[in-house]
Amino acid sequence: GENVEQHPSTLSVQEGDSAVIKCTYSDSASNYFPWYKQELGKRPQLIIDIRSNVGEKKDQRIAVTLNKTAKHFSLHITETQPEDSAVYFCAASLSGYALNFGKGTSLLVTP
Amino acid sequence: DADVTQTPRNRITKTGKRIMLECSQTKGHDRMYWYRQDPGLGLRLIYYSFDVKDINKGEISDGYSVSRQAQAKFSLSLESAIPNQTALYFCATSDRFRETGELFFGEGSRLTVL
Repeated sequence: GENVEQHPSTLSVQEGDSAVIKCTYSDSASNYFPWYKQELGKRPQLIIDIRSNVGEKKDQRIAVTLNKTAKHFSLHITETQPEDSAVYFCAASLSGYALNFGKGTSLLVTP
Repeated sequence: DADVTQTPRNRITKTGKRIMLECSQTKGHDRMYWYRQDPGLGLRLIYYSFDVKDINKGEISDGYSVSRQAQAKFSLSLESAIPNQTALYFCATSDRFRETGELFFGEGSRLTVL
């Protein structure tokens, strides 16, 4: 089955700096790559996703890039704010199949 | 608002007891999932169901069973709970007709096995 590796496990940045979280996947057939954000004590929620026919997708301060050849994808958050502090999970799957998640990255944005 | 509801939200039990976690949804989605969250291990898939007559094992199904009683209800059972099943459990749903495979999570059920 699909194996998703996520790095780093913890990340601390100063407010206004950029944050990058990287994931690799094992199954070359996977074609759907979402990112979820989980605030403390809350449920995970989708923040952005990308499909394998697209190399990059942006939504305001967040962006995701995908390198199918290398089987890795990354989440980029620019101009970080304290409210970006949360645990972020990447995931991968073949469309129509269940998601396999990475182990998560705990992001702390300090004022 | 259409939502995913889990009961109980918190449960403390003893080793060897049978426990059922229930999930119901008003989103009208056909697909339902159970995930387990442990610190440092992320979200791991226990079981999933793509419709009422479909049940599939995930990566960590041992020690768990599920029942899809209706399109809107998906229950997770621990027949004989053990301490290493102490975790936060999430139910989730998705809609096969949506272009995205977005999962909608419930608020979670925190289970402690003593």
